[in-house]
Amino acid sequence: GAVVSQHPSRVICKSGTSVKIECRSLDFQATTMFWYRQFPKQSLMLMATSNEGSKATYEQGVEKDKFLINHASLTLSTLTVTSAHPEDSSFYICSARGTGTEKLFFGSGTQLSVL
Amino acid sequence: GQQLNQSPQSMFIQEGEDVSMNCTSSSIFNTWLWYKQDPGEGPVLLIALYKAGELTSNGRLTAQFGITRKDSFLNISASIPSDVGIYFCAGQLPGANSKLTFGKGITLSVRP
Repeated sequence: GAVVSQHPSRVICKSGTSVKIECRSLDFQATTMFWYRQFPKQSLMLMATSNEGSKATYEQGVEKDKFLINHASLTLSTLTVTSAHPEDSSFYICSARGTGTEKLFFGSGTQLSVL
Repeated sequence: GQQLNQSPQSMFIQEGEDVSMNCTSSSIFNTWLWYKQDPGEGPVLLIALYKAGELTSNGRLTAQFGITRKDSFLNISASIPSDVGIYFCAGQLPGANSKLTFGKGITLSVRP
C-alpha cells in the first residue's frame, strides 16, 4: 500500500513552545490530507482537512490559530501546535488520500508530551 | 451527525479461533474501510469495500459491505498472537474531500 511518513514519532517540549509535525506521502501525490488527534483508548478525532494550496478546514471546536496547518505541496502537510500546553499532550496522526482513490493511508503518529 | 457503532469494546479469544466484528451505522455510506492499530502506531488499512454486498478477503481476513449500506463485518480466521490490536471500522461518503467517520474500535486480545 501507499506510504505516509510522519515525523517526529515522539516529541517532548516545554509549555509555551511550538512544535511542528510533518506528514509526507512518499510514493503518491496527496491532494487531501487529514489531521487527527487520539487520546488513550479512544477513537480518532478529526481536527482538520487540508487541501494542497488552500486553507485548511477545521472541525468544530478546533482552534485554527492554535493548530496551524500548511499543505504547501502535494506530498507535504505540516501541523504546528503553537504555544503548547499540557492539555495539548496527545497522539497526533496524519492521513493522506491520493488522487482518484477513496483509500486513506495513515502516518505512524506523533506522541506529543508537553511538560 | 453520523455515528458508527462497534461493540463490544473488547474481545478475548483463544489462539486459533475465528472472530467476527460488526459495525453498524444510522446512515448510509458508499465506502467501508477496516483498519488495525497497534499501540503507538497509526492505523493500517486492512480492507476497503466499495459496493453493497461486496465480500473481500485479505489473507485470513474477510470483510463484507452490507446490503443496506449501513453495516459491515470483519472476520478473522485462525487467529494468531499478532492479531492483537484495535480494529476500527470507518465509513465514507463520496467526494474527494469526504471525511471518514470512525467507530470507537474493538480491542482484540488473543490468548496463546
